[in-house]
Amino acid sequence: LAKTTQPISMDSYEGQEVNITCSHNNIATNDYITWYQQFPSQGPRFIIQGYKTKVTNEVASLFIPADRKSSTLSLPRVSLSDTAVYYCLVGDLSGTGGGNKLTFGTGTQLKVEL
Amino acid sequence: EPEVTQTPSHQVTQMGQEVILRCVPISNHLYFYWYRQILGQKVEFLVSFYNNEISEKSEIFDDQFSVERPDGSNFTLKIRSTKLEDSAMYFCASIQFGAREQYFGPGTRLTVT
Repeated sequence: LAKTTQPISMDSYEGQEVNITCSHNNIATNDYITWYQQFPSQGPRFIIQGYKTKVTNEVASLFIPADRKSSTLSLPRVSLSDTAVYYCLVGDLSGTGGGNKLTFGTGTQLKVEL
Repeated sequence: EPEVTQTPSHQVTQMGQEVILRCVPISNHLYFYWYRQILGQKVEFLVSFYNNEISEKSEIFDDQFSVERPDGSNFTLKIRSTKLEDSAMYFCASIQFGAREQYFGPGTRLTVT
């Protein structure tokens, strides 16, 4: 799996947009970019996944430039409940039908304040 | 929305004892995983399981660990002789065939004293 680099922590205030950038210079052709969220003492939760350009769902947007060497998770109008660790994972996570393991880094601790 | 469930939520055991952690993956999922997270550290992959056999295991998953799918719904992780360093949150996850989103359970906190 491609190595990823993301900030250790970020601070924000309620109502602001938060952008977390992840670098993955060695991304391979078959790799997808996936973001997970984890609250304390809970299992990681899938947020969004993309291959290129922009992906948007009801929770977040994912921006991927043409060279795919980085990606940015965008959380619109964060609230206190968005305080969590956000992980960027890169890999061909489907494997032969879905079997590949996930390799987590240290993630980005997002703290949202009033 | 279907979810992965795990029992117990917290298990306390003495060093050297055997523990079995239980998971019920989402019903139509075919790949199953165990991960662990020592307090304050990364989520680490332990083992993946497909078609009633181990697909891949990490260096952590030594002879003290085993997994089993004893029936059509449960997926268990057994630690034969627990050590202090086995204290961690253990997460079960599952994924549908052809999908990329792994669904994680709420975890079991294992405390070895």
